[in-house]
Amino acid sequence: AQTVTQSQPEMSVQEAETVTLSCTYDTSESDYYLFWYKQPPSRQMILVIRQEAYKQQNATENRFSVNFQKAAKSFSLKISDSQLGDAAMYFCAYRSDHPTGANSKLTFGKGITLSVRP
Amino acid sequence: NAGVTQTPKFRILKIGQSMTLQCTQDMNHNYMYWYRQDPGMGLKLIYYSVGAGITDKGEVPNGYNVSRSTTEDFPLRLELAAPSQTSVYFCASSPDWRQGEQYFGPGTRLTVT
Repeated sequence: AQTVTQSQPEMSVQEAETVTLSCTYDTSESDYYLFWYKQPPSRQMILVIRQEAYKQQNATENRFSVNFQKAAKSFSLKISDSQLGDAAMYFCAYRSDHPTGANSKLTFGKGITLSVRP
Repeated sequence: NAGVTQTPKFRILKIGQSMTLQCTQDMNHNYMYWYRQDPGMGLKLIYYSVGAGITDKGEVPNGYNVSRSTTEDFPLRLELAAPSQTSVYFCASSPDWRQGEQYFGPGTRLTVT
């Protein structure tokens, strides 16, 4: 079974600075997806960024980028130019790329609470 | 385009009561999921469906039931509510297994006392 570990329960960053959120995962599969989801106080789960394991290039979405290290099974999220609206809980998630129903589920880490200081 | 909608947003149940959490998506997605999120934890899969008429258990199915009579609707039924079912419940959907990301509803906060 796959597991996702987010070992830092909380992080804090100064507005306009850069912060990196860590995530490691364990799997025996070679093909999979990795995601970062943001959950603000509204509770809505919002997709921030996705990475396909077969792609060597790290994904980027505006101020958000990832450092995907497949051999090390590491998937960190970098937020540049942090804004007050980035304050939220961030979840790292894994999804298998095998075509069976149960394996289409997302496996989540416990999350990291990010606070942004003005 | 509403995406994934869930009702109610909040509910308080007494032990032993029953209720149905509603989930509807208007994106014509085949795959739908129910997750629960306990405090300080990530989401865990309760049930999922790969299409109308097809459902199966996830990691934590005990105490719940689902049905999928249409592509759009995927209700979650709690038959005999217990305090351990106090949680936030999320419904999600995706077009098929090839589409990696899932689209989430706003969640239902359920308290059982």
